[in-house]
Amino acid sequence: AQRVTQPEKLLSVFKGAPVELKCNYSYSGSPELFWYVQYSRQRLQLLLRHISRESIKGFTADLNKGETSFHLKKPFAQEEDSAMYYCALNPPGGYQKVTFGTGTKLQVIP
Amino acid sequence: KAGVTQTPRYLIKTRGQQVTLSCSPISGHRSVSWYQQTPGQGLQFLFEYFSETQRNKGNFPGRFSGRQFSNSRSEMNVSTLELGDSALYLCASSLVGGANTEAFFGQGTRLTVV
Repeated sequence: AQRVTQPEKLLSVFKGAPVELKCNYSYSGSPELFWYVQYSRQRLQLLLRHISRESIKGFTADLNKGETSFHLKKPFAQEEDSAMYYCALNPPGGYQKVTFGTGTKLQVIP
Repeated sequence: KAGVTQTPRYLIKTRGQQVTLSCSPISGHRSVSWYQQTPGQGLQFLFEYFSETQRNKGNFPGRFSGRQFSNSRSEMNVSTLELGDSALYLCASSLVGGANTEAFFGQGTRLTVV
């Protein structure tokens, strides 16, 4: 069974401090991994996906297959980064069956 | 382009009733997925439709069903409502629904069962 674990419900950091949102997954294979974000009063939206290996809004995520982790990082937090962040996993193949983590609320303190 | 539209935004129903929720995907998107979001369980996958066929299903009882029309619009139905069905129901669409494709979410329908 596939599972995504985000151990922190709330993460508070000061503006300018580094951010690391943890995500561990359980899947016997090579899944597709994503980070979704939900800003206040907005809809859930994609932040980044592993396959793109991109940096979005200063965030990056590195897949560590040995530790089955996909932590989200940003070197310097900004106030506008305050939001709910969800790590998500989709099995490989041509369909959608996404498993989401329970989410981490990031609070950036000015 | 217009985003994913879910109607209605809010619903209040009584236990035992049934309810139908609607989702209009982004134009050109053929895959529609449904999720249930609750404070206790978070976001849980219900099912995915692609070209009018249910392609995947999550671990929900048969009271939860859905369908997709030829224009890719999708409906979700919950019969014999229970208090525990109170949740935010989210719909997401994607172009073809491949594993690494981006899902675009609607604002959700907030269902309250009393």
